[in-house]
Amino acid sequence: EAGVTQFPSHSVIEKGQTVTLRCDPISGHDNLYWYRRVMGKEIKFLLHFVKESKQDESGMPNNRFLAERTGGTYSTLKVQPAELEDSGVYFCASSQEVGENQPQHFGDGTRLSIL
Amino acid sequence: DAKTTQPPSMDCAEGRAANLPCNHSTISGNEYVYWYRQIHSQGPQYIIHGLKNNETNEMASLIITEDRKSSTLILPHATLRDTAVYYCIVRVIQFDPGTASKLTFGTGTRLQVTL
Repeated sequence: EAGVTQFPSHSVIEKGQTVTLRCDPISGHDNLYWYRRVMGKEIKFLLHFVKESKQDESGMPNNRFLAERTGGTYSTLKVQPAELEDSGVYFCASSQEVGENQPQHFGDGTRLSIL
Repeated sequence: DAKTTQPPSMDCAEGRAANLPCNHSTISGNEYVYWYRQIHSQGPQYIIHGLKNNETNEMASLIITEDRKSSTLILPHATLRDTAVYYCIVRVIQFDPGTASKLTFGTGTRLQVTL
């Protein structure tokens, strides 16, 4: 079974540019989460999809971040325009819908550097 | 979700058992204890979770005290590849479909396994 896949693994862009991160969850997982770790800080939750619907987006830092999950399969996270403080590692995780408290399985993240 | 307290770092000799403590004195009756780890440059990896009974899987054992205010993750025979940051997380039980909750990461315990 393939794990959670994230693309790209690294991205370096200049301040003001746009970047789109992609996450492919484990097949059949309805729950998809985005997290990020900025320099020196803890891993923080951004948002949670159930299929194509946003269940919880309380962690999204501001309106420069847009997450989508069209069709309830893969998800994208767009940052537009990127700012210096957006640098960090962005993780995606997925879990099954059925079954109480199914664990979340993480991808290896996208390391985003804003210059 | 309840706050957890972990020692910032621990050392363990290869081949010995690694016992990682976690304090979660404010845990509620509807919260599970989860353990994840993050090996350098990888995404968080699920290890084990439990509610009130001790749990064991192929990776580790989880011992939860009777009052549920603390727990210990046990890696029975630590290897160099177990060097990582270990996170103890408490998470609300979700019974309703579509309400699986986010993970709240702390600073974790940095485990260094040495020869």
